Amino acid sequence: GNSVTQMEGPVTLSEEAFLTINCTYTATGYPSLFWYVQYPGEGLQLLLKATKADDKGSNKGFEATYRKETTSFHLEKGSVQVSDSAVYFCALSKIYNQGGKLIFGQGTELSVKP
Amino acid sequence: ETGVTQSPTHLIKTRGQQVTLRCSSQSGHNTVSWYQQALGQGPQFIFQYYREEENGRGNFPPRFSGLQFPNYSSELNVNALELDDSALYLCASSRGLDGGMDTQYFGPGTRLTVL
Repeated sequence: GNSVTQMEGPVTLSEEAFLTINCTYTATGYPSLFWYVQYPGEGLQLLLKATKADDKGSNKGFEATYRKETTSFHLEKGSVQVSDSAVYFCALSKIYNQGGKLIFGQGTELSVKP
Repeated sequence: ETGVTQSPTHLIKTRGQQVTLRCSSQSGHNTVSWYQQALGQGPQFIFQYYREEENGRGNFPPRFSGLQFPNYSSELNVNALELDDSALYLCASSRGLDGGMDTQYFGPGTRLTVL
């Protein structure tokens, strides 16, 4: 079946450190891949996406590359800030009929210390 | 452009009661999906509505039901509430495949507590 696996948290970093959050997926066909971010007490915000192999999604200094050969979509940021503290979810979109459902990983909590 | 909105923000119910949650989709979107997010977990797909018809359902019992209206807003109804239904309920809207995109945009969620 289709699934997403993320590295376990919490991840604690100092401000300006390099961030990597690993995400691997299992899927039939060619799903679209997403990273969503959830700040405390809020809903999910789309961070970035990639729709085909070798695509790189980027936003607000975050990047992730769709690697079909390793079925991965790792999230990276060169220099994190305290304001990046949140829970990050990797997801794939399974298309059917006229829409698609998102399948999420379990989330990775990031805490950035000043 | 107005984003996805949900009401109410918080809700407390007792076991056995029924609840209705509401969602207004983003302008230009005709597809609404509902997800349940238990504490510390990723969201789980409940069902999706496309142009007022159910278009896929996750592994949830029939006491979870929904509607989509002509303006593409939606309701999630849960009957015979159980303690395990306590969660954040998220609504997401998208253009479906009409717009050639499958990106879903989420509302802030409704926090349901069942006592």
